[in-house]
Amino acid sequence: SQTIHQWPATLVQPVGSPLSLECTVEGTSNPNLYWYRQAAGRGLQLLFYSVGIGQISSEVPQNLSASRPQDRQFILSSKKLLLSDSGFYLCAWSQRISGGNTIYFGEGSWLTVV
Amino acid sequence: QKEVEQDPGPLSVPEGAIVSLNCTYSNSAFQYFMWYRQYSRKGPELLMYTYSSGNKEDGRFTAQVDKSSKYISLFIRDSQPSDSATYLCAMSVNTGGFKTIFGAGTRLFVKA
Repeated sequence: SQTIHQWPATLVQPVGSPLSLECTVEGTSNPNLYWYRQAAGRGLQLLFYSVGIGQISSEVPQNLSASRPQDRQFILSSKKLLLSDSGFYLCAWSQRISGGNTIYFGEGSWLTVV
Repeated sequence: QKEVEQDPGPLSVPEGAIVSLNCTYSNSAFQYFMWYRQYSRKGPELLMYTYSSGNKEDGRFTAQVDKSSKYISLFIRDSQPSDSATYLCAMSVNTGGFKTIFGAGTRLFVKA
């Protein structure tokens, strides 16, 4: 069966510090990978998605970047965090097939920028 | 107008009640409809998945899609305190994936 791991689960970072959140998927090959941010009352916001190694699409301009160095690894980064970057970040994956490729989420990472 | 509308609640019901959670949508091209359950401070987990119209049942959960009304529902029978969570609807056209649109979620509290 497929599993998705995301870490760290919680982190508190000062403004201006760098960020690295990591995600890996097991039990599948060539997945589509996603980073979402969830804000209270605002639902899920798609930040980045990737259909293959080195292929990153950004949905919204922001202070964050994503990378996919390996097939099943997805990294969310920032060089300098802003207060507004605080939130709940979710990594997710789906199979790369046509027709209703359902999204499966990791456990999430709570980021507090202070 | 948002593509997917979902009442944020909170919805509070007594244990054993039948719960009805709903979403409306505007894009008639949506074909795949999902419900996710999200416990506090956890990632959403897929609960139900339905293609096109009709009903789908899984234990105490029933998902219903009415494409003519652009309306989907999730029914929970014999609700339990462990059902207390936020429920998100989601839907997509045939490409799915990054084109999946999520509702904002409805918070449900089931009181013992």
